[in-house]
Amino acid sequence: GNSVTQMEGPVTLSEEAFLTINCTYTATGYPSLFWYVQYPGEGLQLLLKATKADDKGSNKGFEATYRKETTSFHLEKGSVQVSDSAVYFCALPNSGYSTLTFGKGTMLLVSP
Amino acid sequence: GAGVSQSPSNKVTEKGKDVELRCDPISGHTALYWYRQSLGQGLEFLIYFQGNSAPDKSGLPSDRFSAERTGGSVSTLTIQRTQQEDSAVYLCASSSRQGGVADTQYFGPGTRLTVL
Repeated sequence: GNSVTQMEGPVTLSEEAFLTINCTYTATGYPSLFWYVQYPGEGLQLLLKATKADDKGSNKGFEATYRKETTSFHLEKGSVQVSDSAVYFCALPNSGYSTLTFGKGTMLLVSP
Repeated sequence: GAGVSQSPSNKVTEKGKDVELRCDPISGHTALYWYRQSLGQGLEFLIYFQGNSAPDKSGLPSDRFSAERTGGSVSTLTIQRTQQEDSAVYLCASSSRQGGVADTQYFGPGTRLTVL
């Protein structure tokens, strides 16, 4: 079935550093890909998504490009802020397209 | 507008007791999902409701788990004879489903269940 693998955390960075969180996927066909974010004490919320190969999703300074050649959807941000500290989840539809399959999450800690 | 709400926010129970967790989805959303979030395990899909269709129960871990959705809106997840391994955060999400599973899922804040 469809699955995602994302890098383990925590990722610890200083403010204004460059961020990359790796995500690779296994899927039948070319499903939409998602990044969700969970801020401390809050529920998950959609950060960005890409619906087809070569698409780039972007939001709040974060970007991710749907690369079918490498089956990857890495999350990047050029300059992180303390407020970006959260857990980030890569996701894609399950094989039955009834719901989403999530990675295990990567915790990002940004210090001033 | 109002988002997805869940109650209670925290629940502590003794092993063997039954618990009920409630989810109020966003008004008008036809799809409702339950997930379980355990430390270091990411999100585990439990059950999915879509309109009046039969729910997809393929993610329920045992027959102690059940869920219902009344009137196409509020949903209740019931765990019978709770075990310590049931301790987790239970998340509910809803979506409009107009665009299929590519639709954004809106999550509630979760219910943290602790089984002693």
